[in-house]
Amino acid sequence: QQQVKQSPQSLIVQKGGISIINCAYENTAFDYFPWYQQFPGKGPALLIAIRPDVSEKKEGRFTISFNKSAKQFSLHIMDSQPGDSATYFCAASTQGGSEKLVFGKGTKLTVNP
Amino acid sequence: DVKVTQSSRYLVKRTGEKVFLECVQDMDHENMFWYRQDPGLGLRLIYFSYDVKMKEKGDIPEGYSVSREKKERFSLILESASTNQTSMYLCASSFSGTGGYEQYFGPGTRLTVT
Repeated sequence: QQQVKQSPQSLIVQKGGISIINCAYENTAFDYFPWYQQFPGKGPALLIAIRPDVSEKKEGRFTISFNKSAKQFSLHIMDSQPGDSATYFCAASTQGGSEKLVFGKGTKLTVNP
Repeated sequence: DVKVTQSSRYLVKRTGEKVFLECVQDMDHENMFWYRQDPGLGLRLIYFSYDVKMKEKGDIPEGYSVSREKKERFSLILESASTNQTSMYLCASSFSGTGGYEQYFGPGTRLTVT
């Protein structure tokens, strides 16, 4: 019940296309859903996050869509660029102060020029 | 700018050696974390500390211990390194509160146990 299931494991997109990564969870106590981006040789860095009181959050070309009833959330990257090539992790956590995140297994995105 | 630093980028150790991985953060964060990252398995939490001298087991604590004597420093200890502990180790830190604080990650230590 603590898992976050992420798909696909890898994704290849042409420059200018839309990249979509999906995550699903079981624990209804989760109430914070961040996405982290990791470039080779670097640690992950927060990209965008959402709470379940909204269904969508947009920051530039990056959008999180959240479906509370389906217990799913997804990351959309519009106008994908070669510089977006990285590994993306979805995650979830619960209120309570521990700040522990449960991570998905990651999606390696390659954007071809 | 938040900075989380890890003592080594690359480390090669022999089976049975005691290994120390050090992590330092400069943002006065209450929480610190140690993760292990393996291909296809994502980030798995080894240990978590929410205060000095306080620790909590994560999902895969077996074979590891931790130490937090100062707020800014969190050490991961492999008491007797084994080949299955060859991995990328990531340290992170965050503020403590009601949930939803960003975790800041260090660059990672790639440990090879031979």
